[in-house]
Amino acid sequence: DTAVSQTPKYLVTQMGNDKSIKCEQNLGHDTMYWYKQDSKKFLKIMFSYNNKELIINETVPNRFSPKSPDKAHLNLHINSLELGDSAVYFCASSAKLQRDWEQFFGPGTRLTVL
Amino acid sequence: DQQVKQNSPSLSVQEGRISILNCDYTNSMFDYFLWYKKYPAEGPTFLISISSIKDKNEDGRFTVFLNKSAKHLSLHIVPSQPGDSAVYFCAATTSGTYKYIFGTGTRLKVLA
Repeated sequence: DTAVSQTPKYLVTQMGNDKSIKCEQNLGHDTMYWYKQDSKKFLKIMFSYNNKELIINETVPNRFSPKSPDKAHLNLHINSLELGDSAVYFCASSAKLQRDWEQFFGPGTRLTVL
Repeated sequence: DQQVKQNSPSLSVQEGRISILNCDYTNSMFDYFLWYKKYPAEGPTFLISISSIKDKNEDGRFTVFLNKSAKHLSLHIVPSQPGDSAVYFCAATTSGTYKYIFGTGTRLKVLA
């Protein structure tokens, strides 16, 4: 039973393309996140959604657009991909009532832009 | 501006000995701190946390200490086991903000 799943696991694409990464959690959590881990291994928050509402947008370019169709899903769409977008993207979820602020992470999606 | 810092990128420890991983923070508004463990090609997994109202939290072989005046926390693993070899991230948050700031990680290698 995968708690937080992401697809695809690997994504290789050309500069200028548009791509999406999907995330689903089956934990019943009400908050979901997207993180980016760059080549220097910084794990940086990009977006946070609570009950399908955007609550954090951390100076991420407009080319990145999260979409939450329901509380169990938070997808990330990226337009006009650039070389600097190459990174590992992690989705996570949490619920305040469970182990106070603990986040559950997905396995990551390694995006390579050529 | 890196608000959460892990100044040791790597640490090697003999099996059975204590591993001590350190983390410093600058933002005094942080009131909850977490440690995550990450294996290659996997997402981080939660290990242990501590609220700012406490100075110690223990869970089995793992203990986290918080020194608020020094803005410093540490994770102690006793005894260390080869399966503990991973990258450890410390993270901090302010309650209700849904924003977690992560350190850059420390790679722990436990030698058999």
